[in-house]
Amino acid sequence: DGGITQSPKYLFRKEGQNVTLSCEQNLNHDAMYWYRQDPGQGLRLIYYSQIVNDFQKGDIAEGYSVSREKKESFPLTVTSAQKNPTAFYLCASSRGGASGANVLTFGAGSRLTVL
Amino acid sequence: AQSVTQPDIHITVSEGASLELRCNYSYGATPYLFWYVQSPGQGLQLLLKYFSGDTLVQGIKGFEAEFKRSQSSFNLRKPSVHWSDAAEYFCAVGAGGGSQGNLIFGKGTKLSVKP
Repeated sequence: DGGITQSPKYLFRKEGQNVTLSCEQNLNHDAMYWYRQDPGQGLRLIYYSQIVNDFQKGDIAEGYSVSREKKESFPLTVTSAQKNPTAFYLCASSRGGASGANVLTFGAGSRLTVL
Repeated sequence: AQSVTQPDIHITVSEGASLELRCNYSYGATPYLFWYVQSPGQGLQLLLKYFSGDTLVQGIKGFEAEFKRSQSSFNLRKPSVHWSDAAEYFCAVGAGGGSQGNLIFGKGTKLSVKP
């Protein structure tokens, strides 16, 4: 079955370390997204990519970086510059397009905890 | 700017009772509207969507939603709630134009079900 795989499910990081969250999709979707979820805050967009080798900042991109070298993959790096990285991270994908009629498919998420 | 408001942070209903979760949006053009559900520690699953046409849309798991343009609302309903419906529910609006098709999410409504 097609879907989105996020790994690891749980990750612990010491302060000052960079960590990379993996996101792979086999849906042949053009667009991919990273959201951060905090209790009571809903989902906030970190980065998105509509096509390979191109990506744009979302609402809370500071302290994060991404790459999109392959259509299937959109890894997120949480850098030491992110002041409060403990959160639940969700990756999503869609067929893309600028109309807003985008049905997002989500992965199961990765929970990052800073020790 | 586009926005989504879910006025109820937490709702508790008895099993077998009816349910209505409220969603209000702010968007200048015809909106694309979505409801997603999230079980604890999991990703989001699409319940239903409205793009055009009939303002009453049917979704999975017995849910339905009604688009009311005059009230800028897209409330989610279910006639009889099951214990397995306990989860968090997110309303979202598709933002076209400069946002390149991203979704804007409300902060969510957590549903608890009493036996």
